[in-house]
This record gives sequence, structure tokens and C-alpha cells, in this order.
Amino acid sequence: DAGVIQSPRHEVTEMGQEVTLRCKPISGHNSLFWYRQTMMRGLELLIYFNNNVPIDDSGMPEDRFSAKMPNASFSTLKIQPSEPRDSAVYFCASSLSRPVASSESLGFGADTQYFGPGTRLTVL
Amino acid sequence: AQKVTQAQTEISVVEKEDVTLDCVYETRDTTYYLFWYKQPPSGELVFLIRRNSFDEQNEISGRYSWNFQKSTSSFNFTITASQVVDSAVYFCALMTTDSWGKLQFGAGTQVVVTP
Repeated sequence: DAGVIQSPRHEVTEMGQEVTLRCKPISGHNSLFWYRQTMMRGLELLIYFNNNVPIDDSGMPEDRFSAKMPNASFSTLKIQPSEPRDSAVYFCASSLSRPVASSESLGFGADTQYFGPGTRLTVL
Repeated sequence: AQKVTQAQTEISVVEKEDVTLDCVYETRDTTYYLFWYKQPPSGELVFLIRRNSFDEQNEISGRYSWNFQKSTSSFNFTITASQVVDSAVYFCALMTTDSWGKLQFGAGTQVVVTP
């Protein structure tokens, strides 16, 4: 089975340019997550979607970052304009998440996230 | 607030030695989940295990074992008879019902296994 697919794997761009990162989640998964990994801050969640709807974007660093999920099999993370401090590895992850309607169930929400290979972004 | 502490930055061992990675977490939630991920030099993040707060049974999977102790808020990971292929960064992560979907990662522990 195909895992999470990300493209491109590497991106080098110049400051001020627009960057678009792409992600295809595992087929059948209904939640998608974008993470960023840097030496200084480690792994941090930027935004996540459930059933194509953005649930929490509080981790998005600033307005230059935007993410979309037009359908269940595709998501983009866009940076416009890019800056050198955006240089990082960006991971996409997906999970099959159950409804969070009940607190009685131990299966409540915390489904395993499976990560893509990441996109290494370098902004010069 | 949730927090995961992996105090060991790097551990170096010789092949066949055992290595234990410490993970201490903080949360006020009574229902939460703990995870371990492996990041080999190639860069991808590989899921290893998930454990919920109501299940304190230790788990063994091949050369990997996990010790979950709620009394000390720890979820430690042991690699028995380490191999060079175990060289990677290992991350412990926490997810609580209060922050569904948000994996709070520790800083990671680099394991270096030399022949």
C-alpha cells in the first residue's frame, strides 16, 4: 500500500518566491497534518484537517503560510513570499480518525499519524 | 499544558549493547496517548508504537520493548542487542484528549550504534 506521498522532496528557492508543497494522504485516511522540523524548534504542528476541513491552524507561523485541502486525496502548503527562516523539512502526515463525540471510548481521537518522507526546503 | 522531555540528546553504543531511551511527559489529562517514532538518517518518520494511558502493560516487539509507568510519567524505550541499523533519532510524543490531533514531540534522542 502506498504511504503518504509528498512532492517535491527537495526545493531550493530564492527569498521572495512562492513555494508550494504537496501531499497525498494514505487512501481512506480522513485527517491530514502538516508539520515543520527545524534544529531550533524540533517538530511542530502547523495545521491539520479533518474531512478536508481545517480544524486548527494555530501553529501556522504567519500570514505568509496557507494550506488547503480541496479533496480527500490532496493538500497543499504554500509559502508566499518565502524567507530564509522558512528553511526546514516539512512533513505531511495522515490518519484515520474516529469521531471525537464521546469521551467514554478509549479509541477517542488519538489515531496513529503516518508520515510522508518530507520536503526539504531551502530558501536562499 | 502538555510537555515531553527526552533528556538524552545522544547515546552512543557498540553493536549488541542494550540502549534505553528515556521519555518523561507532563499532562493534566487522564486520558492520553504516547507514541514513539524513529527517524533514520534518510529522514522519514517511522511509527513504532502507540500506548494509551489506561494500559500500563509493557510491550515487546522483537528487539524493542517499552516500559510505561504512570507513577513516574515515563514511557521508556529499550533496544536490546542493538544493531547498526538502529542508528537514528528517536522521538517520544504525547497526544491528549484535550488537544486531539496534536502530537507534542520531545526533542528526540540520537542513537549511534557502531560496529
